[in-house]
Amino acid sequence: DGGITQSPKYLFRKEGQNVTLSCEQNLNHDAMYWYRQDPGQGLRLIYYSQIVNDFQKGDIAEGYSVSREKKESFPLTVTSAQKNPTAFYLCASSPQVGGSGANVLTFGAGSRLTVL
Amino acid sequence: AQRVTQPEKLLSVFKGAPVELKCNYSYSGSPELFWYVQYSRQRLQLLLRHISRESIKGFTADLNKGETSFHLKKPFAQEEDSAMYYCALSNNAGNMLTFGGGTRLMVKP
Repeated sequence: DGGITQSPKYLFRKEGQNVTLSCEQNLNHDAMYWYRQDPGQGLRLIYYSQIVNDFQKGDIAEGYSVSREKKESFPLTVTSAQKNPTAFYLCASSPQVGGSGANVLTFGAGSRLTVL
Repeated sequence: AQRVTQPEKLLSVFKGAPVELKCNYSYSGSPELFWYVQYSRQRLQLLLRHISRESIKGFTADLNKGETSFHLKKPFAQEEDSAMYYCALSNNAGNMLTFGGGTRLMVKP
């Protein structure tokens, strides 16, 4: 089951704690993305990265942070500033930004975060 | 701003019946549209994209710029088509994909 690996699959957090969700890909893709999935709201983009050491805010970046120190890794930190962090988080990647491969996303299995 | 609307949260049809999952979008540029699907206990995956103009698993979708729609159609639904379907829109730069709220398709035997 190669491609994109997200961990942990389930995570519980107390209010006020930061947590980091891991996303690793072995597809040699340039672009990586983090989405939040809530029932009835579809997927909303949190952050994306087109290249190492560069990332951009998506539609709902407040309360989240990311890093892209390596091509294959794009971890997401859910900070205590995120007011409603309980959700399902999906990581994805695509071969490149722009061109025929753009937006043909490969998704991970997801991480479910629950704030207690 | 780009926006994708899927008006139906749930669509239930009988096996063998035609199915149409609606998708409307708003975008000022030249749109590129996609359908993604998530079967039970599987990962979200690409079903088809409008520039490919292909039929995947019997599904087709035509981009109608006049009506700003990209409805997904299949003439005869099968039980294995039951899944969550998401319509998505890419911006011109190809660096941001906006998803609709999703439609759950249930195909009854």
